[in-house]
Amino acid sequence: QKEVEQDPGPLSVPEGAIVSLNCTYSNSAFQYFMWYRQYSRKGPELLMYTYSSGNKEDGRFTAQVDKSSKYISLFIRDSQPSDSATYLCAGYGNNRLAFGKGNQVVVIP
Amino acid sequence: DADVTQTPRNRITKTGKRIMLECSQTKGHDRMYWYRQDPGLGLRLIYYSFDVKDINKGEISDGYSVSRQAQAKFSLSLESAIPNQTALYFCATSDTGAQETQYFGPGTRLLVL
Repeated sequence: QKEVEQDPGPLSVPEGAIVSLNCTYSNSAFQYFMWYRQYSRKGPELLMYTYSSGNKEDGRFTAQVDKSSKYISLFIRDSQPSDSATYLCAGYGNNRLAFGKGNQVVVIP
Repeated sequence: DADVTQTPRNRITKTGKRIMLECSQTKGHDRMYWYRQDPGLGLRLIYYSFDVKDINKGEISDGYSVSRQAQAKFSLSLESAIPNQTALYFCATSDTGAQETQYFGPGTRLLVL
């Protein structure tokens, strides 16, 4: 079992819709949880990170972590075509990052 | 200028050839990492280095070696390339005080024929 599970299925949404992405993890040592965004032919860039459980909001993006259920979520409000990218969730513990497989998101104008 | 650079950006090589991928950073970070990314498998850690004298294997180090020539430089070598090493390779860095936050380079696309 991978430490971070992310259903890699692509997601297409119309512009303005809410995008909801989810991951689960198995390593109880994880204290930090990240979302990276990766545009085609580019390296991943850190989008948001959360320490322990709770919510964090940054503009149109909200990250949620529920450590009791080992669940990580990312919500994108008022999605834009420029949000079209692959989104990778990750957990940090034991001196390393463990990534999910990534979700490709396409926002259709 | 980019904080984390990788060379080459694209490379085609043949089975059995030795190849080196290079990474340089201007962020002043102590920690550097090499990952590979494959469709359907995500990012997997190959090697990581906490400083020039500290190098550690990741989850998929077989067939790879690394060299940390300086704080700012971390190279990945494939001693004898094989086709299943065809992948996208990323270098990343992090600061010891914020080790959970990693910054990635633009990647090297490697094709082994």
